[in-house]
Amino acid sequence: EIVMTQSPATLSVSPGERATLSCRASQSVSSNLAWYQQKPGQAPRLLIYDASTRAIGIPARISGSGSATEFTLTISSLQSEDFAVYYCQQYNNWPLTFGGGTKVEI
Amino acid sequence: EVQLLESGGGLVQPGGSLRLSCAASGFTFISYAMSWVRQAPGKGLEWVSSISTTAGNTYYADSVKGRFTISRDNSKNTLYLQMDTLRAEDTAVYYCAKGGGADFNYWGQGTLVTVSS
Repeated sequence: EIVMTQSPATLSVSPGERATLSCRASQSVSSNLAWYQQKPGQAPRLLIYDASTRAIGIPARISGSGSATEFTLTISSLQSEDFAVYYCQQYNNWPLTFGGGTKVEI
Repeated sequence: EVQLLESGGGLVQPGGSLRLSCAASGFTFISYAMSWVRQAPGKGLEWVSSISTTAGNTYYADSVKGRFTISRDNSKNTLYLQMDTLRAEDTAVYYCAKGGGADFNYWGQGTLVTVSS
């Protein structure tokens, strides 16, 4: 099983600042990685797939990069609606696995 | 508009069974693999199971293998999860998700399953 490790667990930032979230895979997943955002009481929402492709309706201030074992989600200028928990997920191998999440808070 | 509507959750005793359903609309159901993902209270996301378009291939997390069965009825645009021999650690919100073997591009709102005596 591929283990996905996200860091930091919690990221404290101010509106307008840049946020950088990391996701590391225990073995290469190529570019088969997605990022999701989840707000309290809501279902997750797909942000990024194939490591760097924005999903429909996702603003340009959210971007993904990386390949193999190291991945980054960047939010260039945090808006109030960006405060949430973010998960990475690999789909290179079964079983599909998620990281433990990064909470972005004020 | 893609919609996924889960149902069937509730309170069940340890060792009991429950069947979840997910009614899909807004896309060509038969063309997409589908999945179940769960989230225990206050915890992260855990993939549970996926099924291919024609149900020829199914995949399970080790934590549910042999106890849960995923299926689909393409004539009814509905995904199912039969959950048997339930344990306390199966308590979670269960989400239906469009996709399987790749990213999950749409999610339902979830149905809560509570396993407790």
